[in-house]
Amino acid sequence: GAGVSQSPRYKVTKRGQDVTLRCDPISSHATLYWYQQALGQGPEFLTYFNYEAQPDKSGLPSDRFSAERPEGSISTLTIQRTEQRDSAMYRCASSLDLGSGNTIYFGEGSWLTVV
Amino acid sequence: AQSVTQLDSQVPVFEEAPVELRCNYSSSVSVYLFWYVQYPNQGLQLLLKYLSGSTLVKGINGFEAEFNKSQTSFHLRKPSVHISDTAEYFCAVSEKGAQKLVFGQGTRLTINP
Repeated sequence: GAGVSQSPRYKVTKRGQDVTLRCDPISSHATLYWYQQALGQGPEFLTYFNYEAQPDKSGLPSDRFSAERPEGSISTLTIQRTEQRDSAMYRCASSLDLGSGNTIYFGEGSWLTVV
Repeated sequence: AQSVTQLDSQVPVFEEAPVELRCNYSSSVSVYLFWYVQYPNQGLQLLLKYLSGSTLVKGINGFEAEFNKSQTSFHLRKPSVHISDTAEYFCAVSEKGAQKLVFGQGTRLTINP
């Protein structure tokens, strides 16, 4: 697609429910990132993929968080047994490849509220 | 580990006035530096980046930033702001060869007529 597309844009869920967020990166981009941004804070790295490989999961806050990119394009971020502290914006981004100076293009984000 | 400090959480300025948004970073290795902007109800957009070469980097919408290695700073400047520059601005750093960006907490720029 022309840009990074995320869905849903807004999600309200009850504590304890599972939530899955979806990201469709720019079509030619090999590398895909997930960031979490709490209110009033900057984005924080969660994980990234190069095609379908997931070399770095170091930013995932707990084992309740997982991400997939099975065919090297669309990715999902799943949060199991959501807690109120998971309330945040979840940003997906993509870049052409692994070059660390490459421009990273961000989607509009998915706002998650856990009540 | 790297960190980024944006010294001002909010900066109010009058239209057509100059502005400087401050950013300091810490890292034990060589880094790349970035400024991103978030306009209301939009995603993060790259304003400019420093990879190497000239320490003065020019970006979109008339913004520029200067990399100062000795002071570990990468301040963002614009000589004359417009109402449309109202947004939140994020400074970010990545270690050369690393894949993740480390962001500051953001500076909200408000332009008053």
